[in-house]
Amino acid sequence: KAGVTQTPRYLIKTRGQQVTLSCSPISGHRSVSWYQQTPGQGLQFLFEYFSETQRNKGNFPGRFSGRQFSNSRSEMNVSTLELGDSALYLCASKTTVANTEAFFGQGTRLTVV
Amino acid sequence: DQQVKQNSPSLSVQEGRISILNCDYTNSMFDYFLWYKKYPAEGPTFLISISSIKDKNEDGRFTVFLNKSAKHLSLHIVPSQPGDSAVYFCAGLFAYSGGGADGLTFGKGTHLIIQP
Repeated sequence: KAGVTQTPRYLIKTRGQQVTLSCSPISGHRSVSWYQQTPGQGLQFLFEYFSETQRNKGNFPGRFSGRQFSNSRSEMNVSTLELGDSALYLCASKTTVANTEAFFGQGTRLTVV
Repeated sequence: DQQVKQNSPSLSVQEGRISILNCDYTNSMFDYFLWYKKYPAEGPTFLISISSIKDKNEDGRFTVFLNKSAKHLSLHIVPSQPGDSAVYFCAGLFAYSGGGADGLTFGKGTHLIIQP
């Protein structure tokens, strides 16, 4: 059974640009969550999608957005990139929202220069 | 306000001995607590969880203890093995709030180093 797949693995962008990250969940998993990991703040919850609807959102500015498609694949978009957006972005999938066990992808390392 | 805290950035333990990783939380409304293990360049891997109505859960070498009055949980690894060297994250989860979960709230992690 394939795990959670995130693409691309590494990305370098310039301040002011926008970026789209992709996440393919484990087959059968309908809940997809996104997290940002930085050395200073640790792992922080961005948002969660289930059945193409955003169910929950963390404390991040509106520049961070996402969506989920009918096949449960999810994309995360960051507009007007700032240097502080440099981080490892992790995607996690679960069968349902209330399930406790989330499976994480390897992450996308975003560097903003 | 950090709702889940891991106050030890690192911990060094000899191979074969017990590793005890600690975690404190401030929000009594978490429904579950989970432990994740993370190797460099990989995503976190689920280890073990505990419901907030339990005080102990065991899975092989891993045992998690929950002390609700102290708002404290700990992960015990016995015996510690070299492959256990990794960063361990404690997380709280609201499973039932508003019909949906608010995502995992993570601590900042503890780097466990198993010495031969």
